[in-house]
Amino acid sequence: DVVMTQSPFSLPVTLGQPASISCRSSQSLVHSDGNTYLNWFQQRPGQSPRRLIYKVSNWDSGVPDRFSGSGSGTDFTLKISRVEAEDVGVYYCMQGTHWPHTFGQGTKLEIK
Amino acid sequence: EVQLVESGGGLVQPGGSLRLSCAASGFTFSNYWMSWIRQAPGKGLEWVANIKQDGSEKYYVDSVKGRFTISRDNAKNSLSLQMNSLRAEDTAVYYCARASTGTSGDYWGQGTLVSVSS
Repeated sequence: DVVMTQSPFSLPVTLGQPASISCRSSQSLVHSDGNTYLNWFQQRPGQSPRRLIYKVSNWDSGVPDRFSGSGSGTDFTLKISRVEAEDVGVYYCMQGTHWPHTFGQGTKLEIK
Repeated sequence: EVQLVESGGGLVQPGGSLRLSCAASGFTFSNYWMSWIRQAPGKGLEWVANIKQDGSEKYYVDSVKGRFTISRDNAKNSLSLQMNSLRAEDTAVYYCARASTGTSGDYWGQGTLVSVSS
């Protein structure tokens, strides 16, 4: 199975400051169809997860443009340009290239 | 508006069975892959199973193969997960999620809690 490794585990950030989460996969996530199926999810406290980014860098509807995704192959990054209070929660990367689909262990973002 | 509503969770003894259901609305159900994803208490997300639009392809995480069966009824816009031989480690909130190629979960339900304990 593809192992997804996120860092850091915990991310304290000052309001208005940038934040960055790394996600590395144990195998390339380039699919035979040429796409790279790397997704990012946000789970706010007490809520169901919500997808933010799909195929590395594509925003889901309603996602603020302060969120951005980048990367290729096995190394990926989620960046928040200016953290707001509503961004508190746990962020997960997930690969959908290989079966079984697998999630990273999560990164908990909190406000300093 | 896309809505996914899970039901069927509860307390079950080890070795027992449970059937989860997910009622879908607000989109053309038969056009989408569907997923079950779970989250143990205080833990991260774990993908459990996917089913193709017509039910012809199904995929499972190794830990549930042979015990869980995903199915769908496109006429009723319904997704199911039959869970047999349940173990304590199956205790989790189970989410129904809409999927497509390469992704599980552009929309999620609110989840249903399954507790396996004697």
